[in-house]
Amino acid sequence: ETGVTQTPRHLVMGMTNKKSLKCEQHLGHNAMYWYKQSAKKPLELMFVYSLEERVENNSVPSRFSPECPNSSHLFLHLHTLQPEDSALYLCASSQGVGYSYNEQFFGPGTRLTVL
Amino acid sequence: QKEVEQDPGPLSVPEGAIVSLNCTYSNSAFQYFMWYRQYSRKGPELLMYTYSSGNKEDGRFTAQVDKSSKYISLFIRDSQPSDSATYLCAMGSGNTGKLIFGQGTTLQVKP
Repeated sequence: ETGVTQTPRHLVMGMTNKKSLKCEQHLGHNAMYWYKQSAKKPLELMFVYSLEERVENNSVPSRFSPECPNSSHLFLHLHTLQPEDSALYLCASSQGVGYSYNEQFFGPGTRLTVL
Repeated sequence: QKEVEQDPGPLSVPEGAIVSLNCTYSNSAFQYFMWYRQYSRKGPELLMYTYSSGNKEDGRFTAQVDKSSKYISLFIRDSQPSDSATYLCAMGSGNTGKLIFGQGTTLQVKP
């Protein structure tokens, strides 16, 4: 595997379900990100982790719970979601957050549908 | 007012045309500017980045930044059907790692 991988690629869940999204980066990076991409809206930054420590939490509802067990893996735990949470969830990684040039490498995303 | 404004399109052009994609921004603290390309069912990938006002060229692509007007552009020369994608502008400042993205412009290049 190379780059940033995400599983599953597609997920359909009911409002009462609990599921998790997984992201893995194979680039040796120290920072990882979760973004939400909805139709006709800019990418919304949800969470930033640097060296497994959360450094940014953009007022995301508590039904989204991130976990970063190590610098290569990032999870997004989902529970009691709402239909408006249906979107493409993108994971990204970068060398670190302490760089003025911060190229972020994205995974292919998980297409989430909440029924 | 949104921090970054980008016309969502869609923009449809014939093959070989010159394409101009634009973003305006309101935060004068932005120091670096990027263009990402996103194909259908894929994540965004970095296409161009620049720090300063002026032009930066890479093959058929030219990124232009005008900090005084808070305006950035991406030009694509001799556009190809393979350029059909959504183009996202992004910008950031300092060393927080936080990028602010535009809405994205969907481009279709017709053979």
